[in-house]
Amino acid sequence: IAGITQAPTSQILAAGRRMTLRCTQDMRHNAMYWYRQDLGLGLRLIHYSNTAGTTGKGEVPDGYSVSRANTDDFPLTLASAVPSQTSVYFCASSDGTGGPDTQYFGPGTRLTVL
Amino acid sequence: GQNIDQPTEMTATEGAIVQINCTYQTSGFNGLFWYQQHAGEAPTFLSYNVLDGLEEKGRFSSFLSRSKGYSYLLLKELQMKDSASYLCAVRDSNYQLIWGAGTKLIIKP
Repeated sequence: IAGITQAPTSQILAAGRRMTLRCTQDMRHNAMYWYRQDLGLGLRLIHYSNTAGTTGKGEVPDGYSVSRANTDDFPLTLASAVPSQTSVYFCASSDGTGGPDTQYFGPGTRLTVL
Repeated sequence: GQNIDQPTEMTATEGAIVQINCTYQTSGFNGLFWYQQHAGEAPTFLSYNVLDGLEEKGRFSSFLSRSKGYSYLLLKELQMKDSASYLCAVRDSNYQLIWGAGTKLIIKP
């Protein structure tokens, strides 16, 4: 694989269920990010990780958790899904070593919570 | 609060030139990015500005004025494949990207 992959591509979930969105990158990037994208709003940062073993809260972290056990993987978990978490979720990564530190995005997961 | 403003939608003709503006108010400034996003796809990186002036990359150019909190993306020789949303994002003092809602560009033959 090359770049960032996300799974699943799409999912319909009943409210109250637990769900983990997967994200894997093979670019050996230090930093990884989770965003949600909703119509009429800009991308909003949920959680981020500057390096393996560390995580931080973004603009909209409530109801979500992340872990970064290794460089490549950055799963996002919804402990108990609610309809307001219906969105498109994008994972991104960057090398995290200064300069532009451009973020590169995965293909996204379209999540519907009913 | 932090704010990035872009027009919601613009229409242009194939072969023409279009300028998409972005104004920002953020806590600190550590660079401005433009991304392209086709419908149903991921954002892809177009350009980065950290100093005032124009950065040219083929048919696309991006301009920055830090004193005015203003940037624009200039697309020349428009092609139908340029129909997409264009996202402006500013890196703030916490080194996080703050995103505009995007400008949907419609290209007509």
